[in-house]
Amino acid sequence: DQQVKQNSPSLSVQEGRISILNCDYTNSMFDYFLWYKKYPAEGPTFLISISSIKDKNEDGRFTVFLNKSAKHLSLHIVPSQPGDSAVYFCAAEETSGSRLTFGEGTQLTVNP
Amino acid sequence: DGGITQSPKYLFRKEGQNVTLSCEQNLNHDAMYWYRQDPGQGLRLIYYSQIVNDFQKGDIAEGYSVSREKKESFPLTVTSAQKNPTAFYLCASSPWGTRAGTEKLFFGSGTQLSVL
Repeated sequence: DQQVKQNSPSLSVQEGRISILNCDYTNSMFDYFLWYKKYPAEGPTFLISISSIKDKNEDGRFTVFLNKSAKHLSLHIVPSQPGDSAVYFCAAEETSGSRLTFGEGTQLTVNP
Repeated sequence: DGGITQSPKYLFRKEGQNVTLSCEQNLNHDAMYWYRQDPGQGLRLIYYSQIVNDFQKGDIAEGYSVSREKKESFPLTVTSAQKNPTAFYLCASSPWGTRAGTEKLFFGSGTQLSVL
């Protein structure tokens, strides 16, 4: 039972354009959402997060949007850079706060 | 430098053999986690520990065992009962006691386990 789903295994965009990565969830107990970025043969690193009491959180080129009614969140990267090429994982946390549930990941490729 | 160290980077397991993956952290974090990454399946939680001498099963604990005798160390043993052990294994840690604890998991660089 995949509670956090990233339906797009891969995404390719041109440098300077917007990258939009999507994530859907099914568990209504999730109230905190995070995005992690992972390069090959390395561990993921935290990128940005959002609480369920908000619908948007921005940090530089990265913005996360949350639509609770649709159980959907998205990560926008503007402008995209070649160094952004990585696998992006969406993750969610329940109210109990003891663990994270990750999605399958989306491979983003930013072409120069 | 503070961080999480996983070793070895590559590990090969023979049929019927148990192997142990090491994870050490010097971040003074209370909580530690083991995840498994398979292509197209994201990160799946194997075991986690919120405090020394205590740990809980994650979503795919069968065929694995852990111990948490020291705060700094959380080794994972892949037993012969784990029939499909080939994967990339990631260890992580986080502060505990607040919601922000799980907000920022700090990951090690991973161990790639393959079956001979």
